[in-house]
This record gives sequence, structure tokens and C-alpha cells, in this order.
Amino acid sequence: DAKTTQPTSMDCAEGRAANLPCNHSTISGNEYVYWYRQIHSQGPQYIIHGLKNNETNEMASLIITEDRKSSTLILPHATLRDTAVYYCIVRGTLNTGTASKLTFGTGTRLQVTL
Amino acid sequence: SAVISQKPSRDICQRGTSLTIQCQVDSQVTMMFWYRQQPGQSLTLIATANQGSEATYESGFVIDKFPISRPNLTFSTLTVSNMSPEDSSIYLCSVGTGQGVGEQFFGPGTRLTVL
Repeated sequence: DAKTTQPTSMDCAEGRAANLPCNHSTISGNEYVYWYRQIHSQGPQYIIHGLKNNETNEMASLIITEDRKSSTLILPHATLRDTAVYYCIVRGTLNTGTASKLTFGTGTRLQVTL
Repeated sequence: SAVISQKPSRDICQRGTSLTIQCQVDSQVTMMFWYRQQPGQSLTLIATANQGSEATYESGFVIDKFPISRPNLTFSTLTVSNMSPEDSSIYLCSVGTGQGVGEQFFGPGTRLTVL
């Protein structure tokens, strides 16, 4: 699976949009971009994933560039409870059709402040 | 989504002893995984728990140290054997359907401290 690069940390004011970037320049055509977050002392929580189209759900939006070499996770109105480490992960499938391993990098530590 | 529970939620153990961690899922799942998260670090995959056969271990992890059982599609155990302080970590169970690139869900973790 392709490697991802994320900033180590970011700050965001409560109520503002948090835009978390991720570079995945070696992504291949059948690999998806996944985002998870880990709030302190909890297990990782799935946020969203996409292949090439932009995606939106109740938690966030995922914007993937046309060349698929980078993406941005957007939390439209960040709250204090969104303070967490956010992981961008690239993941494909094996020849058997099953999902490949979920490999975590170091992620971005997002601090939402008043 | 799958609801995953782990027991114990935390434990403090003595060097040289072993601890078995249980993972229970509220529905049948194809894939079950065990991860380790050392203090201040990201998650590292230990192994894939295979139902009815031996687990598949990642590089750096061996069966003698981390024996895994998976008797059915909703339950798995991870044993941390002959513990040392370096084994102090959070151990997380994770499950997935294995279909395509579906979601993978994580349990709350077991916080282990070895003295």
C-alpha cells in the first residue's frame, strides 16, 4: 500500500472548518484513501473513505485531487470533541478481493481551541 | 457498524507472567486483527486472527510471544506471554468484513502495564 505524509500537528478554532491535508503521491489506481481518528484513550474511529470522487457523510467531507496524489479531510464546524489524532491511510485489495491491511502512520494531532 | 468489546479494559501485571485479552463482536465478521499501540506511538498490526487456523503474524511478532485463538466468527483472544515492561501498551482488537475495501472497526483497547 502507498505511503502517506501528514503534518504532525494542527490547530483549529472551535466553530471553524478544520482542513487536514494528506499526501499520497504513490497511490495506485485501485487504492482507496481512508481517514480514521483516535480520541485520547479510545480505539480508532472510522471517518470516511473515497476512491476518486469527493465524499461527504455526517462527520466530514473528503476532497481528493484529480491526480489522486493528495486529499483533504474537512471537518466543517470543528468542536472541542474533535480534538484527536487523524490518520490518513491508503488501502487497496488483495488478489483475493479482500481488503489489504490497514497500516497506520503517525497522523496529524488536531487541537481544537476555544 | 460492529460493536466490539474487550476484556479486561486494563490490567497491571508482573514481569514474567502472561495475560489473555478477549475480544467479542456483536455480529459475525470475516476478519479479526490485533494491534499494539505503545505509549505515544501509532498502531502496529500484530497479526490477523484466522478462524479455524493459525494466525498470520506480522514481521517482528511471533506465535510463542503472542498466541492467538479464534474459535468462531465473533470471538478471539490474544495472549501476551512472559511479559516484560516493554510489553506495556494498549492492545486493540479490530474487525472487518473483508469484502472489497469495507470499513474496519476497532475495540476500545486493553491498557496493559507490566511492572
